[in-house]
Amino acid sequence: DQQVKQNSPSLSVQEGRISILNCDYTNSMFDYFLWYKKYPAEGPTFLISISSIKDKNEDGRFTVFLNKSAKHLSLHIVPSQPGDSAVYFCAASAKLGAQKLVFGQGTRLTINP
Amino acid sequence: KAGVTQTPRYLIKTRGQQVTLSCSPISGHRSVSWYQQTPGQGLQFLFEYFSETQRNKGNFPGRFSGRQFSNSRSEMNVSTLELGDSALYLCASSRDLPRPGNTIYFGEGSWLTVV
Repeated sequence: DQQVKQNSPSLSVQEGRISILNCDYTNSMFDYFLWYKKYPAEGPTFLISISSIKDKNEDGRFTVFLNKSAKHLSLHIVPSQPGDSAVYFCAASAKLGAQKLVFGQGTRLTINP
Repeated sequence: KAGVTQTPRYLIKTRGQQVTLSCSPISGHRSVSWYQQTPGQGLQFLFEYFSETQRNKGNFPGRFSGRQFSNSRSEMNVSTLELGDSALYLCASSRDLPRPGNTIYFGEGSWLTVV
C-alpha cells in the first residue's frame, strides 16, 4: 500500500517555463510534507516544506501548494532552469511518526534548453 | 556548518558477509534515521534513533540493525548480506521531529554492492 504517490515518473519542461510536479497521499494522519531533489548516487537535498495548517509556501522559485481535502500537493518551479533537472521526491510525515518520512517514487524532471 | 557525513561512500561485499555503515549527524542534531534506496522499492525507512533509543522501525528483517551513541553518531549493520541488499543507504538527521524550521537533512549515502 503506497501512502504517497507520484504518478508521473518523468516530466520534460522547456527552460524558462513552469514545472509542476504532483503528489497524492492517502494517510490523513500526515501533517507535514516535504519536497526533496536528488541527483544519482547522492543524498536527497531538501527544497521546501509545508505544514498541514497552510495551503501554500513559497521560497524563491519554488512554491508548494497543499489541498488537504483532495490529499494532494504540488511543487511549482518557475522559471525552470537546466540545473533543476533531477529526480524530485515528495515525502510526508505524521505527527506520531517521529522522524519517519514516507516517500513517493519520485518524478524525473528534465529541463530542455 | 558541516552536513551529514556518511562513511564509507562505496563498498563491495560478498553474500553472507556483514557490513557496518557509519553516520555523523549535523552538529546539534539528536535524531538520526536511516533509509534504503533501491530502483524497485524507492526510498524506504529503516529505523530512527533519538538520544540513543530506537524510536521507530520500518519493515525490514532483523538482519538490519542500528544504534546511536551518546554523541548522536549512528551506525547501522546488515548481517548475512543478500544480493537484494545492494542499495544506496542514506542517513538523515534533524534536531527532533520534522516540523517547520526543523527539517530532515540527508547525507550523500553509502553505496553498497553485494556480489
